[in-house]
Amino acid sequence: EVRLVESGGGLAKPGGSLRLSCAASGFSFSTRSMNWVRQAPGEGLEWVSFIGSSGNDIYYADSVRGRFTVSRDNAKNSLFLQINSLRAEDTAVYYCAREGKTTRSPSSWGQGTLVIVSS
Amino acid sequence: DVVLTQSPLSLPVTLGQPASISCRSSQSLVYSDGNTYLHWFQQRPGQSPRRLIYKISNRDSGVPDRFSGSGSGTDFTLKISRVEAEDIGVYYCMQSTHWPGTFGQGTKLEIK
Repeated sequence: EVRLVESGGGLAKPGGSLRLSCAASGFSFSTRSMNWVRQAPGEGLEWVSFIGSSGNDIYYADSVRGRFTVSRDNAKNSLFLQINSLRAEDTAVYYCAREGKTTRSPSSWGQGTLVIVSS
Repeated sequence: DVVLTQSPLSLPVTLGQPASISCRSSQSLVYSDGNTYLHWFQQRPGQSPRRLIYKISNRDSGVPDRFSGSGSGTDFTLKISRVEAEDIGVYYCMQSTHWPGTFGQGTKLEIK
């Protein structure tokens, strides 16, 4: 069974930093691309970042480029999202999601971790 | 960025009746490989999103066959043949033909 468990969310001040983690199990992590998708409270879904299976292909949404850094550790079956220069508008549930094979879309999602940016 | 416009945004439906959600794209979603990367997700209250349909019309494993997807180019539709109580939630279309991937605003399905 595919399992994705996010952690690292919490309350942070504007301008601060957080590092989100996603622990993956139940599949061959090193062979699958991964995504981060976020959802502000009461709002819709927003794709944030993509990282290829080897970590060589990385993409960001314009709204986070330059502040967010995605990475992965295939030896530890883990995905990360370093969030710097936090803004109020970064307040959201952040989901880790596995890319489907040949589908170019998130096929399996974690339960999410909540980031609240407030002074 | 590609804009996906869903309609309606709110969909009250009687149990056992059909439901239909439209998703229109600001540009063609046909990719250079010939595929159309338009997908549908369901988000039940308090839960994470779940993919229902990928590449227009392919149902994910475990998705009931009352869900179906259709369309081409810029116009796509998700249909539920007979709505059940467990179908309550918000439905999103998503395109991944063009970077960055984008989602529709969501359609909230509720029972009348």
